[in-house]
Amino acid sequence: QSVLTQPPSVSGTPGQRVTISCSGSNSNIGSNTVKWYQQFPGMAPKLLIHSTSQRPSGVPDRFSGSKSGTSASLAISGLQFEDGADYYCSSWDDSLNVYVIFGGGTKLTVL
Amino acid sequence: QVHLVESGGGTVKPGGSLRLSCAASGFSFSDVHMNWIRQVPGKGLEWISYVSESGTTVYYEESVKGRFTISRDNSKNVLYLQMNNLRLDDTAVYYCAGDQYGDFTFDNWGQGTLVYVSS
Repeated sequence: QSVLTQPPSVSGTPGQRVTISCSGSNSNIGSNTVKWYQQFPGMAPKLLIHSTSQRPSGVPDRFSGSKSGTSASLAISGLQFEDGADYYCSSWDDSLNVYVIFGGGTKLTVL
Repeated sequence: QVHLVESGGGTVKPGGSLRLSCAASGFSFSDVHMNWIRQVPGKGLEWISYVSESGTTVYYEESVKGRFTISRDNSKNVLYLQMNNLRLDDTAVYYCAGDQYGDFTFDNWGQGTLVYVSS
């Protein structure tokens, strides 16, 4: 069981806005930045959001990240069929013997 | 263009060893923190090890501590992961990932190499 909790799946239709949540604690999301990764089947993950809300060059502005307290969210607006993928949140954890933690992943289906 | 290419994966018996390599190109390798992350097929991501730009600082996830060793050769632009005393639950795709931000942001990933531990 992951320290960061994500819903196993979310779905939406083209053009909709969907959000994926990532719930943590004071030792991770509550006191550190959050990253989001997108992964297609059989492919390596790709950085989508860093520093909680920053998009790397080349990532469409349809993707946005935020956090409040010990929870973070990834929002995807103007949903497109090609957004169907697995999404993972990640954060540093200040707990002893723990460094980087990932959420369990959320499968986004575009109907 | 940043390019990371892993190699060295394969099938090994429990208790065996493997050394993974990650060849880097297209960027200043010696300026980037490097990590190994693994993924059991069909499951989530698990960070397992970090090495600083110079190679002097390393971190490990608890389950691999004492069995795996991360290192890098900045003269050859290669990252390594020496894996000893492999267990069945080490079976996974192993990715190398670069972190130019220095805060465990994995901004570039290799394509992965499969390690299969089976008796």
